[in-house]
Amino acid sequence: DGGITQSPKYLFRKEGQNVTLSCEQNLNHDAMYWYRQDPGQGLRLIYYSQIVNDFQKGDIAEGYSVSREKKESFPLTVTSAQKNPTAFYLCASGGDGNTIYFGEGSWLTVV
Amino acid sequence: AQKVTQAQTEISVVEKEDVTLDCVYETRDTTYYLFWYKQPPSGELVFLIRRNSFDEQNEISGRYSWNFQKSTSSFNFTITASQVVDSAVYFCALSEEWTGTASKLTFGTGTRLQVTL
Repeated sequence: DGGITQSPKYLFRKEGQNVTLSCEQNLNHDAMYWYRQDPGQGLRLIYYSQIVNDFQKGDIAEGYSVSREKKESFPLTVTSAQKNPTAFYLCASGGDGNTIYFGEGSWLTVV
Repeated sequence: AQKVTQAQTEISVVEKEDVTLDCVYETRDTTYYLFWYKQPPSGELVFLIRRNSFDEQNEISGRYSWNFQKSTSSFNFTITASQVVDSAVYFCALSEEWTGTASKLTFGTGTRLQVTL
């Protein structure tokens, strides 16, 4: 199947822990993105990457980190510095400059 | 700064009714793209349509149609003869002119559509 795969679907984090959300795409897209969605709100951009070994901060990057070692993969780490991490996280990729496709999302809950 | 406004937070209709979801945007760019996405209860965002700022033709795809009017900065979405499977949150989004391979999408807050029997 072609597309964007996120894992895990549900994740629980204890206070003070770092957690990493996985995102893999087989669409051969150069650009990848991480968005955060809070209840009743739109999506906000955390980080994006245009090419391997490159990434840029989005609107709400504080408390998050990313890496882009392979074209297919763009993992997101939610660090302990993120004070309100409970949210729905969506990974996306877009190869033609303007159409962006999304994965199924990951629910992160702090316990 | 770019902004997308979806003033309708929630809409409820009975199956087979037509429904229009409103989207108003603000941008200083002359070249931009507008999108609609559907988010069913499962959570993923499903791409529906992309329209560039130079193409004001209306588009129809099955029961879906889109009306783009630059004069009023609107990009409205109509579902004809709605069905229960149309129940979802719908997002309108705006993409600024890009450089390189990436685009930055600005989303509205979404409209929740509930279609009942």
